Formats: sequence, structure tokens, C-alpha cells
Amino acid sequence: DTEVTQTPKHLVMGMTNKKSLKCEQHMGHRAMYWYKQKAKKPPELMFVYSYEKLSINESVPSRFSPECPNSSLLNLHLHALQPEDSALYLCASSQGRRSYNEQFFGPGTRLTVL
Amino acid sequence: AQTVTQSQPEMSVQEAETVTLSCTYDTSENNYYLFWYKQPPSRQMILVIRQEAYKQQNATENRFSVNFQKAAKSFSLKISDSQLGDTAMYFCAQVGAGSYQLTFGKGTKLSVIP
Repeated sequence: DTEVTQTPKHLVMGMTNKKSLKCEQHMGHRAMYWYKQKAKKPPELMFVYSYEKLSINESVPSRFSPECPNSSLLNLHLHALQPEDSALYLCASSQGRRSYNEQFFGPGTRLTVL
Repeated sequence: AQTVTQSQPEMSVQEAETVTLSCTYDTSENNYYLFWYKQPPSRQMILVIRQEAYKQQNATENRFSVNFQKAAKSFSLKISDSQLGDTAMYFCAQVGAGSYQLTFGKGTKLSVIP
């Protein structure tokens, strides 16, 4: 299984809602990532979990809250988002070995904040 | 700091022809990895090809090959026998050995014309 899955595929939420994005991989990877991607732009790194510990937080606003319950799962909890947070949210995973970090991407969740 | 530059925002190629996408990078790392990722419209980002900086031999994957010029910090992608399914945004990316932070270029939108 060389797949990263993400749910839901699409999400529409109001600024007062609380929602969560889910990501799952079964490749035995020990590093997992959240990216935000605006149209026609490259992905921007938000968070990195390495061996289930938060390794990198790229100064993301606190209305985004990541969680890594185990080595296969990664969640992104959303609360009080702004319309400018509308984007494609990508999850990725990699082996986690420090010498080689090819990242495998999921299909993304397209988020619209009203 | 690492940077990746793709100087061609958009390109087009006739079906069955060959096209080359340019990428230059800058890094202070001695050991690093370079990637080309493909993101078709509304579809998943997938790895096209990777190059390990310490290997002099250019990587090849079927119709895709790279021209890696380490001294010039250049990493171009050649697509031979272009197919309609090659239509996508192509991102050049770089990561240092021991790092989780993938640095992307701004992307090149490639259109294959029938």
C-alpha cells in the first residue's frame, strides 16, 4: 500500500464552526506533514510530525491545531477559521529516516470557509 | 537558506514531442536530494523523478529524465514523447539530508497539445 488517504475530499464551513481533517497512511512512515496550497502556488509547509512528536510548526495560527494519535494517523483540527484560510490542504508522509525524505502526498481536502 | 527557482511559469508542447523544464536551486548543504513532482488538474501530487546530489549519473524514469549539473546548481526535467496525460503543474523541489523541509519552486504549468 503506497497510498496516503485524506478525508473529507471537500469541506465547507462557517467561521464559527469546528471541523477536523483526517489523514492516514499504512506505509510504515514515521514522518507526516500538513501543507496548505493556494491555487497555482506550491504547497506551503504547516506542520511536521516525526515519530508522533511535533517537529516543525511553521508559525501557523492557533486556529489550526494538529494531532498525531499514532504513527498512521494525522488530524488537523480547525476552529474559527477565516475566509483566507480557504485552500487545498495536503497531507504527506515520508519514511522519517534522516538521510532520505521522499514525501508521498495525499489527494487533499479542498476547504472553503464562508 | 534554500531556494528553488523555476523560471518558466507556463509551457506548451505538441503531443509526441520533447520538452525541457528548467530548475535552478541554491543550498549550503553538502548532501541533498532533488525532486520533480507532478500535480495534474484537480488530482494528486505524485513524484516523477528524484536525484541524489552525491550521484553524478542523471536519473531516468521511462520518458522522464533529468540533466543534473551540480556545479551550476541546475536540475532540468526532460519529457520525451509527450502525452496528453503529462498536462500538469510541475514542481521542482529540494531537501537537505537530515531535513524534513521540502523547498518547492513556484511551478511550471505544462500543457500538452493534441
